[in-house]
Amino acid sequence: AQKVTQAQTEISVVEKEDVTLDCVYETRDTTYYLFWYKQPPSGELVFLIRRNSFDEQNEISGRYSWNFQKSTSSFNFTITASQVVDSAVYFCALSDSGNTPLVFGKGTRLSVIA
Amino acid sequence: KAGVTQTPRYLIKTRGQQVTLSCSPISGHRSVSWYQQTPGQGLQFLFEYFSETQRNKGNFPGRFSGRQFSNSRSEMNVSTLELGDSALYLCASSLRALAGADTQYFGPGTRLTVL
Repeated sequence: AQKVTQAQTEISVVEKEDVTLDCVYETRDTTYYLFWYKQPPSGELVFLIRRNSFDEQNEISGRYSWNFQKSTSSFNFTITASQVVDSAVYFCALSDSGNTPLVFGKGTRLSVIA
Repeated sequence: KAGVTQTPRYLIKTRGQQVTLSCSPISGHRSVSWYQQTPGQGLQFLFEYFSETQRNKGNFPGRFSGRQFSNSRSEMNVSTLELGDSALYLCASSLRALAGADTQYFGPGTRLTVL
């Protein structure tokens, strides 16, 4: 069975600090997809990134970066120089290649204090 | 391109009533999935529709049902509402049926409160 664990329930940082959100996943499939979504107070889940299991290259997009390590089944998300607008709940999710729905972690609530 | 839209955004019902929620996917997207989000259980998959057919179903009672129309718009229905049905219901659309190969884009959700 697929499982996603986000061990950090809540994180609070001061603006401009760097912060890393952890995500550990479990799956028996060799082909799978990992996602990160952001949920601001408005409630909508905003797509941030998708990574397939064959692509272990790290990715950087502005202040966001993602570290995918198959050896440790982790897909961690780092925000550099955090801003108040980054305050939200962040979800890591997993899906295999066989027409299955997303399995979400419990989410990490990030609070960035000015 | 307009995003996923959901109506209504907020809903208050009483136990025993039924409710219908609506979702319009991104133009061109043919797959619509529904998720329930509660503080205790987190995000849980309800069902997925593609070309008016239910392709996947989560572990929810038969009181939860859905359908998809020829224009890909989808509705979900909850009958005989219970207090535990209070949740944020999120709809997501994707281009094709294979969720794993496609990114799901979410709407703003419908917040249902059952009194």
